[in-house]
Amino acid sequence: EAQVTQNPRYLITVTGKKLTVTCSQNMNHEYMSWYRQDPGLGLRQIYYSMNVEVTDKGDVPEGYKVSRKEKRNFPLILESPSPNQTSLYFCASRTGQGTSEQYFGPGTRLTVT
Amino acid sequence: GNSVTQMEGPVTLSEEAFLTINCTYTATGYPSLFWYVQYPGEGLQLLLKATKADDKGSNKGFEATYRKETTSFHLEKGSVQVSDSAVYFCALKDGSARQLTFGSGTQLTVLP
Repeated sequence: EAQVTQNPRYLITVTGKKLTVTCSQNMNHEYMSWYRQDPGLGLRQIYYSMNVEVTDKGDVPEGYKVSRKEKRNFPLILESPSPNQTSLYFCASRTGQGTSEQYFGPGTRLTVT
Repeated sequence: GNSVTQMEGPVTLSEEAFLTINCTYTATGYPSLFWYVQYPGEGLQLLLKATKADDKGSNKGFEATYRKETTSFHLEKGSVQVSDSAVYFCALKDGSARQLTFGSGTQLTVLP
């Protein structure tokens, strides 16, 4: 089954404790992205990757890091989480074709206290 | 830059009512337009899309027409069901952009 998986689905952590949210897709997609969803703001892109070892900032990259060492994986790293990073995070992937459908993971609910 | 504006929610309707969710956009080029749906506890799924002016996207009884003259892509359904309760996102992608630009989402609740 074609899918994007994320782990963990729920995470509660404390300020400053480094964490990683994993994302994996099994569709051999070139493009992968991370979004955060906040009430009234819709989805805002954090980082995206066009292929292995190629990443770029989205609209709200501050406080986040990513890496793309393999085509299928695109982890999101919070080196020193802060309460304003409490949010719902989505990973997504699509092919390189212009209007191709974007597939989303199920989301990770992060709370930073 | 690109932007998408959706009607404010939440929207509450009775089953079998007519649905319209307004979406207007600003883009520098000739974008492709999308509607995504997010059911409770899930990620977003593509509902329909249109890639050029006057195209109509349709799926599961939902429709939206790409109107270049009014820069709009309003979502409509003639008779909603309880199972349509979800958050609906309008989005665009133009040729020069690497990724999608989303609206803020509209929560729809359909009551039996």
